[in-house]
Amino acid sequence: QSVLTQPPSASGTPGQWVTISCSGSSSNIGTNTVNWYQQLPGTAPKLLIYTNNQRPSGVPDRFSDSKSGTSASLAISGLQSEDEADYYCAAWDDSLKGLVFGGGTRLTVL
Amino acid sequence: EVQLLESGGGLVQPGGSLRLSCAASGFTFSSYGMSWVRQAPGKGLDWVSGISGSGGSTYYADSVKGRFTISRDNSKNTLYMQMNSLRAEDSALYYCAKDVYSGYPDAFDIWGQGTMVTVSS
Repeated sequence: QSVLTQPPSASGTPGQWVTISCSGSSSNIGTNTVNWYQQLPGTAPKLLIYTNNQRPSGVPDRFSDSKSGTSASLAISGLQSEDEADYYCAAWDDSLKGLVFGGGTRLTVL
Repeated sequence: EVQLLESGGGLVQPGGSLRLSCAASGFTFSSYGMSWVRQAPGKGLDWVSGISGSGGSTYYADSVKGRFTISRDNSKNTLYMQMNSLRAEDSALYYCAKDVYSGYPDAFDIWGQGTMVTVSS
C-alpha cells in the first residue's frame, strides 16, 4: 500500500488530453512539492516535472502538473503513442522523514 | 556526459550482506544529493535511502533503517550502500539517482541503469 495513491491505469487516444491523479496527505503533498516520473518499458525512470511545474531540458511542454490541497495531477496534452508508459508521483513526507512514491499509473494510448 | 554506473548486485542468501557502488561522472558530484531507489520485478518504485551532497545528512526508509547504510566518497565520485541482514523482500533492481538539489531527497534527474539484488536460499 503506497503512501501516495494513483489510479493503476489510464488511457486515451492520440491527440487527446489526459490526466493522472496523485492523492496524499498534509505531511507530503499538502506541504511539499510533487515530482513526476515517466518509465518506459525496460528503462530507468525519467524526471518529467519537478518543483512547481519545472521541466528538465528535453521534456515537452505537453506535460504539466497542478496541485490542490493534498492532491496533485499530471496532465498530458496532445497524447502521442510514445507517451505509453508508467507514470509515478513522488513527494517528501515530513512525518515519515522520507521520500514516498505513488504506486504508479500505466498509461495506454489506444 | 552525465552518467551513473551501479555495480555490486548479485545473489545472496537471506541474512547475508552486499555492498552496492555507484560511480558518477560528468557533474560535480559533491554538489548534489544522491539516493538509492529500488524496483521489484513488475512492481513500482520504492525509495530506499538518500544522502546530502556533503555526506553530512542521511535518510532511510523505515523498511531498511538499521540494516542498510548509505555513504559517499566525494574524492572518488562514488556512492555506496552497505546492505546487511538481507531479506527476500529486498530483492529488486537497485537504481542510483542524482538529485536536482544538494539537501534532502527531492527530484532525481539522472538515473543509472540499475543493479539487480536477489535474496534467496
